[in-house]
Order: sequence, then C-alpha cells, then structure tokens
Amino acid sequence: QKEVEQDPGPLSVPEGAIVSLNCTYSNSAFQYFMWYRQYSRKGPELLMYTYSSGNKEDGRFTAQVDKSSKYISLFIRDSQPSDSATYLCASFTGGGNKLTFGTGTQLKVEL
Amino acid sequence: ETGVTQTPRHLVMGMTNKKSLKCEQHLGHNAMYWYKQSAKKPLELMFVYNFKEQTENNSVPSRFSPECPNSSHLFLHLHTLQPEDSALYLCASSQVRGGMNTGELFFGEGSRLTVL
Repeated sequence: QKEVEQDPGPLSVPEGAIVSLNCTYSNSAFQYFMWYRQYSRKGPELLMYTYSSGNKEDGRFTAQVDKSSKYISLFIRDSQPSDSATYLCASFTGGGNKLTFGTGTQLKVEL
Repeated sequence: ETGVTQTPRHLVMGMTNKKSLKCEQHLGHNAMYWYKQSAKKPLELMFVYNFKEQTENNSVPSRFSPECPNSSHLFLHLHTLQPEDSALYLCASSQVRGGMNTGELFFGEGSRLTVL
C-alpha cells in the first residue's frame, strides 16, 4: 500500500465548477499536509499548507484535513481555465527531510 | 535570476555518456534536494543536502552522484545510465530552522532527461 494514494485522473470540469481533489494516507505520524500545483513543463509550486486536522482557506482554495479518516482534500471554487494543472498532495511527519507525495491528479478546466 | 534555476532543461544521452545537471537557488535557503519524477509515479526523493552536507541518500544507484559545493549550488552527475532513468529531475530548496524542516519546498522547472 502506498503511503499516500491519489487518483491520477484526468479530471475535466467546466469553468465555474467546484472542484474536489482528494488523497488518502496511511502513516499516522504525518502532521503536515501540503498541496502543490504543477503546470505543464514546470516544477511544482506550493499552493496550500496545513498542520494537523482542520480547514485552511486562501481565496478560491480550501484545504481540508481529517486525521481521523486519514483524508486530505483540496476544494477549488469558481474554477478557471488557469487552474488546469496537476495537483500533488504531500504529507510530512515533521522530522527528517522526506515529504511523501501522491501521484498527482491532472485537472482540466474547460471553457 | 530568482527562485531555483536548473540547467539544462532538456538532455538526451546515451548509456555510455557522462553528463551533469546543475541547480542554483537564489532564495538563501540552507537545504537542497534532488527529486525524480516519472509518469504516473509519486515524486521520489533522491538526495538531500543540509548546509552542504549530504543528509539523505534514498537508496539511489551509484550511477547518480550528487555534489553540493556550497549552499546555493547542487549538481547531479550522471554516468552509464539506463533507459529506465529517463525522467524529469527536479531540484528543490527549503529553509531548515532549528534543525526542523517545514516541508515547504521551492522547486526548479526540472531537467527532462532521455536516456537512449
């Protein structure tokens, strides 16, 4: 079993839709949870960063962590074509240097 | 130059060649990383350097050899690679404070490697 599982997609939605991207993880020691966005032919960039359980909102983006079910979510409201990218979830224990990434979900927002 | 820059962006090499990937970070960070990104696979951590010292080698074959001459530069020397080594190689940096890594990585755009 992978430590972080993520549906690779692709996921195609119309412009303006609410997008839900999800990951599950197996390591109870994970304390930090991140979402990275990767545009085609670019490196990943940090989008959202949360510690432990709860919600974090930044503009149209909301990150949600439920440690009891080991579930990580990213919601995108009023999705735009510029949101088309691959979204990588990542988890981290807080010790050492190793982030554990999911495979990434490819999202396409169509006009 | 800002952020993390990687050169070359694309590299094609034969299995007997020797080449190097270069990474430079302009963020004043003290930790640098090499990751491998293959299609439909999670990012794989290869090497970590904290304050120029290698702190992690994630069971990487010896045909990959990292070098970190200072906290701003990182190299990945490649020799006698295999076709399965074809992938996007990403460099990243972060700031380690009080020995603690926050997990906030800043990535370069990657070097796309093709091994023939």
